[in-house]
Amino acid sequence: EAQVTQNPRYLITVTGKKLTVTCSQNMNHEYMSWYRQDPGLGLRQIYYSMNVEVTDKGDVPEGYKVSRKEKRNFPLILESPSPNQTSLYFCASSLTRGYTDTQYFGPGTRLTVL
Amino acid sequence: AQSVAQPEDQVNVAEGNPLTVKCTYSVSGNPYLFWYVQYPNRGLQFLLKYITGDNLVKGSYGFEAEFNKSQTSFHLKKPSALVSDSALYFCAVRGGDVPFGSGNTGKLIFGQGTTLQVKP
Repeated sequence: EAQVTQNPRYLITVTGKKLTVTCSQNMNHEYMSWYRQDPGLGLRQIYYSMNVEVTDKGDVPEGYKVSRKEKRNFPLILESPSPNQTSLYFCASSLTRGYTDTQYFGPGTRLTVL
Repeated sequence: AQSVAQPEDQVNVAEGNPLTVKCTYSVSGNPYLFWYVQYPNRGLQFLLKYITGDNLVKGSYGFEAEFNKSQTSFHLKKPSALVSDSALYFCAVRGGDVPFGSGNTGKLIFGQGTTLQVKP
């Protein structure tokens, strides 16, 4: 089944404790992206990647890192999480960066930083 | 700047009645418009998209959307609502004709979301 998977689905952590949220897609997509969803703000892009080893900042990149060493994986790293990073996170992928390509989303990771 | 607006936080309809979830957009160049649905504790599921051509786009689960260029709108519709349609709906726009290297990240720009409640 074609899908985007994320792990973990739920995570409660404390301020400053490094964490990684994994994202993997099995559709051989070039473009991958991370979004965060906050009430009243919709979804906002954190980082994106056009292909292996090509990543760049989105609208809200502060406090996050990403890497793209393999085409299928695009982990999101929080080196020192803070309470304002409590949010619902989605990974997405599309065949290319083309405007007409549909982005497919993972199930989401609900992160709480205490 | 490109933007999407969903003017209603919540829409309530009775089961069996037609439903409309509104979306307006502002984008330079050609708009590429999408609708997604989010069920509780689930990810976003793609419903439909408008790229070009016929202004009435048909999608999953009996949903359709009407593109209106003069009103810059892309309203989501369904002729007969089901209780199981109750969910959070997002309209989104991607791109336009801004070259990728000109600060356009290929991201989806989302509206704030509209909660649809279908009552039995």
